[in-house]
Amino acid sequence: EVKLQQSGDELVRPGASVKISCKASGYTFTNYAMYWVKQSPGQGLEWIGTIIPLIDTTSYNQKFKGKATLTADKSSNTAYMELSRLTSEDSAVYYCARRELFDYWGQGVMVTVSS
Amino acid sequence: DIQMTQSPASLSASLGETVSIECLASEDIYSYLAWYQQKPGKSPQLLIYAANRLQDGVPSRFSGSGSGTQYSLKISGMQPEDEGDYFCLQGSKFPLTFGSGTKLEIK
Repeated sequence: EVKLQQSGDELVRPGASVKISCKASGYTFTNYAMYWVKQSPGQGLEWIGTIIPLIDTTSYNQKFKGKATLTADKSSNTAYMELSRLTSEDSAVYYCARRELFDYWGQGVMVTVSS
Repeated sequence: DIQMTQSPASLSASLGETVSIECLASEDIYSYLAWYQQKPGKSPQLLIYAANRLQDGVPSRFSGSGSGTQYSLKISGMQPEDEGDYFCLQGSKFPLTFGSGTKLEIK
C-alpha cells in the first residue's frame, strides 16, 4: 500500500524556518517525483515545487523560490521541504503528493505562523 | 502562467442528479488535466487524469471529458458520499496550476 506520511503540525514564530517531512512507503521512492502543494483559504491550492529523488533535481514555482527548499533522502525514503523567513502569509496546510498525477497525497501539515 | 477558471464555485444537487463542473484553461493544455475530490479535513483524492481516464477504484459515475482549453467533470447520479470540494489541475506546463474549486453539496 502506497503511503505518504507527513510530519506533525507546526506552530512557528514569524521570521523562523520550518522543515516538513514526507516519508514514502509501499513503492520505490526513486521511481517517482515528489510534488509539494500549499493550500490556504485565501489562495486555494498552489504548486510549490517538485523534486526527482533519483537525481536530486528540483523545479520550483517562481513564487516560492527563496521561500521553499526541497530535498530528498534516498536512504530513508523521505522528502523534505523547508520554508524560511516565515510570515503570516505562509500559514497554510502543506501537502506532499506523488508523481505528476498527484495520485497519492500525504495527510497534510498545518503550519501556523504566529508570535 | 496558465490560468484555470473553474465553475461553478458552488453547486447543490439532489441525490441521483447528474452534475457537471467545468475548467477552462487560458491556453491549450493538451489534455494534461486531472480532477480531484477533497472532503473536509482530508487530503485530495485523484478521480480523473489525462482529462478522461478514471483512476483505479473511483466509481464509474465519475467521468471526464474535454480537450484544448475546455474540460469537464461529470457525476452521473449524485450520491451522498460525493459531497465535497472538487478542483482541477493542469499539468501541461510549469508552474502547475489549480482551479479555484467547486463546493458540491446535496440539496
